[in-house]
Amino acid sequence: GAGVSQSPSNKVTEKGKDVELRCDPISGHTALYWYRQSLGQGLEFLIYFQGNSAPDKSGLPSDRFSAERTGGSVSTLTIQRTQQEDSAVYLCASSLGTGESPYYGYTFGSGTRLTVV
Amino acid sequence: LAKTTQPISMDSYEGQEVNITCSHNNIATNDYITWYQQFPSQGPRFIIQGYKTKVTNEVASLFIPADRKSSTLSLPRVSLSDTAVYYCLVGRITGANNLFFGTGTRLTVIP
Repeated sequence: GAGVSQSPSNKVTEKGKDVELRCDPISGHTALYWYRQSLGQGLEFLIYFQGNSAPDKSGLPSDRFSAERTGGSVSTLTIQRTQQEDSAVYLCASSLGTGESPYYGYTFGSGTRLTVV
Repeated sequence: LAKTTQPISMDSYEGQEVNITCSHNNIATNDYITWYQQFPSQGPRFIIQGYKTKVTNEVASLFIPADRKSSTLSLPRVSLSDTAVYYCLVGRITGANNLFFGTGTRLTVIP
């Protein structure tokens, strides 16, 4: 597609429930990233996918968080047994990958605002 | 991993030139400097990227001194719509070495 698409744009869930957030990257972008942004804060790196390589999961805050990327395209971020501190905007970005030229960096989606009540 | 330091916030009047400086003392030889802009309720947007000296595009200029230990984003004649958070990133263009955004600089343009 023309841009990075994320769904849903807003999600309200009860504490303890599982949620799935979806990211549809730009076609042809081999790298995909998930970030989390709490209100008024900077971006917190969560996970990074590059092609068929094993993902870099070093930013996932707990084992309740997991992510998959199927067929090198769409990615799903899953949060199990949600807690109130999980409330944030979850942002997805994609890029052409490492070493490409010209160097335009990331393209971000508009995010999913998750509220755990 | 090169760490960056930016002012937390800045205020400017409309029509003025705004310069936001980012310090990155540990920048590596193959690291680039990239700036992003984030409006409320939106994801960050790429503004400009450079390696050394000066880069200019339709939005901003990026000044990088010879030692590359800092960089300055210059926004000419800001308007109210330039009110946003500006992030400086240092690392390889994309990928595992360029993942950390920091807290950014919150620019407020005043009428």
